[in-house]
Amino acid sequence: GENVEQHPSTLSVQEGDSAVIKCTYSDSASNYFPWYKQELGKGPQLIIDIRSNVGEKKDQRIAVTLNKTAKHFSLHITETQPEDSAVYFCAASDQGGYSTLTFGKGTMLLVSP
Amino acid sequence: DSGVTQTPKHLITATGQRVTLRCSPRSGDLSVYWYQQSLDQGLQFLIQYYNGEERAKGNILERFSAQQFPDLHSELNLSSLELGDSALYFCASSVEAGPYNEQFFGPGTRLTVL
Repeated sequence: GENVEQHPSTLSVQEGDSAVIKCTYSDSASNYFPWYKQELGKGPQLIIDIRSNVGEKKDQRIAVTLNKTAKHFSLHITETQPEDSAVYFCAASDQGGYSTLTFGKGTMLLVSP
Repeated sequence: DSGVTQTPKHLITATGQRVTLRCSPRSGDLSVYWYQQSLDQGLQFLIQYYNGEERAKGNILERFSAQQFPDLHSELNLSSLELGDSALYFCASSVEAGPYNEQFFGPGTRLTVL
Protein backbone atom coordinates (compact mmCIF):
# COMPACT_ATOMS: atom_id res chain seq x y z
CA GLY A 1 0.00 0.00 0.00
CA GLU A 2 0.86 3.68 -0.06
CA ASN A 3 3.41 5.08 2.40
CA VAL A 4 3.74 8.83 2.99
CA GLU A 5 6.74 10.32 4.79
CA GLN A 6 6.58 13.91 6.06
CA HIS A 7 9.38 16.21 7.25
CA PRO A 8 10.10 18.00 9.46
CA SER A 9 8.00 16.87 12.42
CA THR A 10 8.28 20.33 14.00
CA LEU A 11 9.08 23.68 12.46
CA SER A 12 9.55 26.99 14.25
CA VAL A 13 9.69 30.24 12.28
CA GLN A 14 9.46 33.93 12.96
CA GLU A 15 6.42 35.86 11.79
CA GLY A 16 6.95 36.95 8.20
CA ASP A 17 9.32 34.11 7.34
CA SER A 18 8.51 31.34 4.89
CA ALA A 19 7.84 27.75 5.90
CA VAL A 20 8.33 24.64 3.79
CA ILE A 21 7.02 21.16 4.59
CA LYS A 22 8.04 18.21 2.45
CA CYS A 23 6.43 14.84 1.78
CA THR A 24 7.37 11.79 -0.22
CA TYR A 25 5.08 8.99 -1.33
CA SER A 26 5.75 5.46 -2.46
CA ASP A 27 2.95 4.53 -4.88
CA SER A 28 3.57 5.97 -8.33
CA ALA A 29 -0.12 5.46 -9.13
CA SER A 30 -1.21 8.04 -6.54
CA ASN A 31 -2.81 10.97 -8.31
CA TYR A 32 -4.20 13.35 -5.71
CA PHE A 33 -2.31 15.14 -2.95
CA PRO A 34 -4.22 17.25 -0.43
CA TRP A 35 -2.84 19.21 2.51
CA TYR A 36 -4.78 19.56 5.73
CA LYS A 37 -4.38 21.98 8.62
CA GLN A 38 -5.40 20.90 12.10
CA GLU A 39 -5.80 23.51 14.80
CA LEU A 40 -5.81 22.57 18.47
CA GLY A 41 -8.99 20.76 19.46
CA LYS A 42 -10.38 20.64 15.92
CA GLY A 43 -10.55 18.24 13.04
CA PRO A 44 -8.27 18.59 10.00
CA GLN A 45 -9.34 21.06 7.34
CA LEU A 46 -8.33 21.03 3.69
CA ILE A 47 -6.22 24.05 2.76
CA ILE A 48 -4.95 23.19 -0.71
CA ASP A 49 -4.68 20.19 -2.99
CA ILE A 50 -2.97 19.23 -6.23
CA ARG A 51 -3.62 16.62 -8.85
CA SER A 52 -0.93 14.61 -10.58
CA ASN A 53 -1.36 16.42 -13.89
CA VAL A 54 -0.33 19.74 -12.33
CA GLY A 55 3.14 20.73 -11.11
CA GLU A 56 2.28 23.71 -8.93
CA LYS A 57 -0.76 25.37 -7.44
CA LYS A 58 -1.05 28.61 -5.48
CA ASP A 59 -3.70 30.12 -3.25
CA GLN A 60 -2.71 33.46 -1.77
CA ARG A 61 0.12 32.77 0.72
CA ILE A 62 0.19 29.02 0.28
CA ALA A 63 1.47 26.94 -2.61
CA VAL A 64 2.03 23.29 -3.30
CA THR A 65 4.52 21.78 -5.72
CA LEU A 66 4.59 18.25 -7.04
CA ASN A 67 7.46 16.29 -8.58
CA LYS A 68 6.00 13.05 -9.90
CA THR A 69 9.34 11.69 -11.05
CA ALA A 70 10.85 12.01 -7.61
CA LYS A 71 7.52 11.22 -5.91
CA HIS A 72 7.60 14.17 -3.60
CA PHE A 73 5.43 17.20 -2.96
CA SER A 74 5.86 20.26 -0.77
CA LEU A 75 3.78 22.90 0.98
CA HIS A 76 5.09 26.45 0.95
CA ILE A 77 3.69 29.13 3.23
CA THR A 78 4.97 32.68 2.70
CA GLU A 79 4.71 35.66 5.06
CA THR A 80 3.76 33.42 7.95
CA GLN A 81 1.44 34.74 10.64
CA PRO A 82 0.81 33.50 14.21
CA GLU A 83 -2.56 32.13 13.10
CA ASP A 84 -0.70 29.77 10.76
CA SER A 85 0.47 27.89 13.86
CA ALA A 86 -1.09 24.42 13.65
CA VAL A 87 -0.32 20.84 12.65
CA TYR A 88 -0.13 20.31 8.90
CA PHE A 89 -0.72 16.94 7.25
CA CYS A 90 0.08 15.90 3.73
CA ALA A 91 -1.79 12.99 2.16
CA ALA A 92 -1.87 10.92 -0.98
CA SER A 93 -4.83 9.25 -2.57
CA ASP A 94 -4.54 5.86 -4.17
CA GLN A 95 -5.76 4.97 -7.61
CA GLY A 96 -8.85 3.11 -8.67
CA GLY A 97 -11.54 5.70 -8.19
CA TYR A 98 -11.51 5.58 -4.42
CA SER A 99 -10.75 8.52 -2.20
CA THR A 100 -8.97 6.79 0.62
CA LEU A 101 -6.18 8.97 1.89
CA THR A 102 -2.86 7.94 3.36
CA PHE A 103 -1.59 10.69 5.64
CA GLY A 104 1.88 11.73 6.67
CA LYS A 105 2.52 11.94 10.41
CA GLY A 106 2.17 15.69 10.51
CA THR A 107 4.31 18.80 11.01
CA MET A 108 3.72 21.08 13.96
CA LEU A 109 4.33 24.62 12.74
CA LEU A 110 4.92 27.32 15.34
CA VAL A 111 5.02 30.93 14.17
CA SER A 112 6.43 33.30 16.75
CA PRO A 113 5.44 36.99 16.72
CA ASP B 1 -17.67 24.47 11.63
CA SER B 2 -17.39 21.76 8.97
CA GLY B 3 -21.02 20.66 9.25
CA VAL B 4 -20.00 17.17 10.38
CA THR B 5 -21.10 16.31 13.90
CA GLN B 6 -19.71 13.63 16.17
CA THR B 7 -20.95 12.39 19.52
CA PRO B 8 -19.84 12.03 22.19
CA LYS B 9 -16.92 14.47 22.41
CA HIS B 10 -15.23 12.49 25.14
CA LEU B 11 -15.57 8.89 26.22
CA ILE B 12 -13.84 7.22 29.14
CA THR B 13 -14.22 3.50 29.58
CA ALA B 14 -12.43 0.40 30.84
CA THR B 15 -10.55 -2.34 29.07
CA GLY B 16 -12.77 -5.08 27.69
CA GLN B 17 -15.74 -2.77 27.22
CA ARG B 18 -17.61 -1.86 24.04
CA VAL B 19 -18.44 1.66 22.84
CA THR B 20 -20.27 3.24 19.93
CA LEU B 21 -19.20 6.48 18.27
CA ARG B 22 -21.72 8.36 16.17
CA CYS B 23 -21.26 10.61 13.15
CA SER B 24 -23.69 12.76 11.18
CA PRO B 25 -22.28 13.86 7.81
CA ARG B 26 -22.81 17.22 6.16
CA SER B 27 -26.20 17.61 4.56
CA GLY B 28 -26.07 16.07 1.10
CA ASP B 29 -22.84 14.13 1.61
CA LEU B 30 -23.16 10.46 0.73
CA SER B 31 -19.72 9.23 1.77
CA VAL B 32 -18.48 8.80 5.34
CA TYR B 33 -14.97 7.96 6.48
CA TRP B 34 -13.58 6.98 9.87
CA TYR B 35 -10.05 7.77 10.99
CA GLN B 36 -8.05 7.04 14.13
CA GLN B 37 -5.50 9.62 15.30
CA SER B 38 -2.85 8.70 17.83
CA LEU B 39 0.44 10.38 18.71
CA ASP B 40 2.64 7.57 17.42
CA GLN B 41 0.63 6.48 14.35
CA GLY B 42 -0.71 9.78 13.14
CA LEU B 43 -3.99 9.87 11.21
CA GLN B 44 -4.96 6.42 9.99
CA PHE B 45 -7.85 5.58 7.68
CA LEU B 46 -10.14 2.91 9.08
CA ILE B 47 -13.13 2.49 6.80
CA GLN B 48 -15.31 4.26 4.22
CA TYR B 49 -19.01 3.97 3.49
CA TYR B 50 -20.87 5.32 0.50
CA ASN B 51 -24.65 5.59 0.50
CA GLY B 52 -25.00 2.79 3.02
CA GLU B 53 -22.47 0.38 1.58
CA GLU B 54 -18.90 -0.31 2.62
CA ARG B 55 -16.61 1.17 0.00
CA ALA B 56 -13.06 0.77 1.26
CA LYS B 57 -11.24 -0.68 4.24
CA GLY B 58 -8.03 0.48 5.79
CA ASN B 59 -6.24 -0.53 8.96
CA ILE B 60 -9.36 -1.45 10.87
CA LEU B 61 -9.08 -4.11 13.55
CA GLU B 62 -11.47 -7.05 13.60
CA ARG B 63 -12.70 -5.82 17.00
CA PHE B 64 -13.94 -2.69 15.26
CA SER B 65 -16.95 -2.45 12.98
CA ALA B 66 -18.96 0.30 11.37
CA GLN B 67 -22.14 0.88 9.47
CA GLN B 68 -23.94 3.65 7.62
CA PHE B 69 -27.67 3.90 8.08
CA PRO B 70 -30.39 4.88 5.55
CA ASP B 71 -30.38 8.44 6.90
CA LEU B 72 -26.61 8.44 6.13
CA HIS B 73 -25.40 8.79 9.70
CA SER B 74 -22.71 6.34 10.66
CA GLU B 75 -21.62 4.51 13.78
CA LEU B 76 -18.25 3.04 14.66
CA ASN B 77 -18.37 0.21 17.16
CA LEU B 78 -15.27 -0.64 19.17
CA SER B 79 -15.33 -3.81 21.25
CA SER B 80 -13.01 -5.67 23.64
CA LEU B 81 -11.25 -2.38 24.17
CA GLU B 82 -7.56 -2.29 24.94
CA LEU B 83 -5.38 0.48 26.38
CA GLY B 84 -3.89 1.00 22.92
CA ASP B 85 -7.29 1.92 21.49
CA SER B 86 -7.12 5.23 23.33
CA ALA B 87 -7.06 7.84 20.57
CA LEU B 88 -8.99 10.54 18.77
CA TYR B 89 -11.52 9.13 16.33
CA PHE B 90 -12.54 11.37 13.45
CA CYS B 91 -15.38 11.06 11.06
CA ALA B 92 -15.24 12.83 7.71
CA SER B 93 -17.74 13.15 4.90
CA SER B 94 -17.70 14.04 1.22
CA VAL B 95 -20.31 14.53 -1.46
CA GLU B 96 -19.22 11.59 -3.55
CA ALA B 97 -16.74 8.74 -3.17
CA GLY B 98 -14.29 9.63 -5.92
CA PRO B 99 -10.63 10.57 -5.40
CA TYR B 100 -10.98 14.34 -5.76
CA ASN B 101 -13.80 14.94 -3.35
CA GLU B 102 -12.88 17.15 -0.41
CA GLN B 103 -13.29 15.41 2.90
CA PHE B 104 -14.80 17.49 5.70
CA PHE B 105 -13.78 16.38 9.16
CA GLY B 106 -15.83 16.47 12.32
CA PRO B 107 -14.43 17.65 15.67
CA GLY B 108 -13.60 14.10 16.77
CA THR B 109 -14.35 11.84 19.72
CA ARG B 110 -11.59 11.40 22.27
CA LEU B 111 -11.63 7.85 23.61
CA THR B 112 -9.74 7.02 26.78
CA VAL B 113 -9.47 3.38 27.80
CA LEU B 114 -8.39 2.86 31.41
